[in-house]
Amino acid sequence: LAKTTQPISMDSYEGQEVNITCSHNNIATNDYITWYQQFPSQGPRFIIQGYKTKVTNEVASLFIPADRKSSTLSLPRVSLSDTAVYYCLVGDWVGNKLTFGGGTRVLVKP
Amino acid sequence: EAGVTQFPSHSVIEKGQTVTLRCDPISGHDNLYWYRRVMGKEIKFLLHFVKESKQDESGMPNNRFLAERTGGTYSTLKVQPAELEDSGVYFCASSHREENTGELFFGEGSRLTVL
Repeated sequence: LAKTTQPISMDSYEGQEVNITCSHNNIATNDYITWYQQFPSQGPRFIIQGYKTKVTNEVASLFIPADRKSSTLSLPRVSLSDTAVYYCLVGDWVGNKLTFGGGTRVLVKP
Repeated sequence: EAGVTQFPSHSVIEKGQTVTLRCDPISGHDNLYWYRRVMGKEIKFLLHFVKESKQDESGMPNNRFLAERTGGTYSTLKVQPAELEDSGVYFCASSHREENTGELFFGEGSRLTVL
């Protein structure tokens, strides 16, 4: 499984855009990049997934460069309720076996 | 539609006792998973059911842990006897049978405290 590296924590303010970059230098051809969000006292929640280029949904955007060795999760105009831990996961999802790293703790301040 | 539900939300037991955690997956989801995070560590995979069959139990730490999914609906995870290092949060997740997309639906977790 490809190892991922992401910042331990990030602070932001309401209304700002938050960008979290994840490194996955040994990503395999069949691997997808998936991001989960976890609020305190809750289970992780799938937010976005991509293979290459850019993916956007109602929650976030995911930017993946051509070499796929990194990816950036972009949260537009964050609010206090976006305070959470964000996990970057990489895998081919055979059997849906997820490997969570330490995640990035995002704190949104007023 | 109801999400993945877990019971109890929090259990406090003494070392050597037994605890059984229950998970009700989303209706129609054949895949059911157990994960856990212990004492500040990362969330780790424990095992995977497809209906009532154990597909992958490579993450089960030892034989004190027993997972069942009789009838392919809800699942239980029993810890017997519990040890201090078993303290943590146990998450259950489910997904549809044919989808290996990396998208799992997690419950809120069952917090286990072993004293």
